Amino acid sequence: SAVISQKPSRDICQRGTSLTIQCQVDSQVTMMFWYRQQPGQSLTLIATANQGSEATYESGFVIDKFPISRPNLTFSTLTVSNMSPEDSSIYLCSVQTDLNSGANVLTFGAGSRLTVL
Amino acid sequence: AQSVTQLGSHVSVSEGALVLLRCNYSSSVPPYLFWYVQYPNQGLQLLLKYTTGATLVKGINGFEAEFKKSETSFHLTKPSAHMSDAAEYFCAVTPSGGYQKVTFGTGTKLQVIP
Repeated sequence: SAVISQKPSRDICQRGTSLTIQCQVDSQVTMMFWYRQQPGQSLTLIATANQGSEATYESGFVIDKFPISRPNLTFSTLTVSNMSPEDSSIYLCSVQTDLNSGANVLTFGAGSRLTVL
Repeated sequence: AQSVTQLGSHVSVSEGALVLLRCNYSSSVPPYLFWYVQYPNQGLQLLLKYTTGATLVKGINGFEAEFKKSETSFHLTKPSAHMSDAAEYFCAVTPSGGYQKVTFGTGTKLQVIP
């Protein structure tokens, strides 16, 4: 399966600043997904990023707050803009694998743990 | 629409004891079901999946799960817990048929007591 590298692995940020998280995959993939994992809550899909088109955002997430880039088939970035303490979370990049099964099996990066002060 | 309910945010078992993590799902169409495991400071990795066919599926590290349509359940079991099983486990569901959004449960943290 694909190997995903995310950075930074963790960061402490000041309120009002922005941070960009990078996701690098070791193979070409069509779809990349960005999730948020908050303590005690389920993983929440932020958006789906396809190369060559605008990202598709889930309800409750907007491009101005979470702009995403997808310049090629192996790389994507997620920016968390104008951060507040409520944005403290783990952000996970994932890709679809095991395409032969027909199911949306996901492979995840290790995550980026953000703490906003 | 689909949803997943994991009963028990924390489960403790003794080393060597049976592990049972509960998952119930709701789906308006036949589902695909998954269990993922997350070790500290790591991303989620697939333990096992049910798509079609045999309802008892085996995964890595001795885990297995049984799809019970009548009970809308997909509970995860392992006959004998090992210290290395301590992690957080997530049940997930997606509608069958091509790419569909995956919905995750809130997770169950498994503690293994020596």
